[in-house]
Amino acid sequence: KQEVTQIPAALSVPEGENLVLNCSFTDSAIYNLQWFRQDPGKGLTSLLLIQSSQREQTSGRLNASLDKSSGRSTLYIAASQPGDSATYLCAVSPALTTDSWGKLQFGAGTQVVVTP
Amino acid sequence: DTGVSQDPRHKITKRGQNVTFRCDPISEHNRLYWYRQTLGQGPEFLTYFQNEAQLEKSRLLSDRFSAERPKGSFSTLEIQRTEQGDSAMYLCASSSTSGPWTGELFFGEGSRLTVL
Repeated sequence: KQEVTQIPAALSVPEGENLVLNCSFTDSAIYNLQWFRQDPGKGLTSLLLIQSSQREQTSGRLNASLDKSSGRSTLYIAASQPGDSATYLCAVSPALTTDSWGKLQFGAGTQVVVTP
Repeated sequence: DTGVSQDPRHKITKRGQNVTFRCDPISEHNRLYWYRQTLGQGPEFLTYFQNEAQLEKSRLLSDRFSAERPKGSFSTLEIQRTEQGDSAMYLCASSSTSGPWTGELFFGEGSRLTVL
């Protein structure tokens, strides 16, 4: 059974510092990995999706890496801003069949606070 | 297209009452998913549809839960005889099985259920 772990559970950094968020998973047979952002009481906003054949994806200040063999992904947020304060969730999509792609297995998230 | 929309955003009900949530996916997406998220946890998969067919239900989906997607467009999730343990955020997501965004899930803002 796939297990997804995010450490640390919470993180506080001063504005301008780079953020490094970790995600680990136990089964390397994944179709893709997604990083989401969730603001309090809100839904999930997709940040980056990395296909299993890729090693990284970048969007603006965000960069996500994927190492399937070690079961790890890292989300880097450069030059953090107070508006980056949110919970960041990673989720893996199993590679069993095409029917299983959307059955994401989520970590519990890392709650980030960026202080001005 | 404005993305995935869910209604209502928040529902407060008394134990034993029935509640229904509605989800309108991104129009060109053929897959629709329901997830449940409790406080401090990542979302958990409940069920999904491809067009109008419900292809899988999680063991989390008890007999009191029923979901439909009658015309392959919007979906409803009904909870009968609500219990306090049903209190959670119910998230809807949609995806496409073709095109450049294959396998990427887009989530709505969620419907928060509070059972008193």
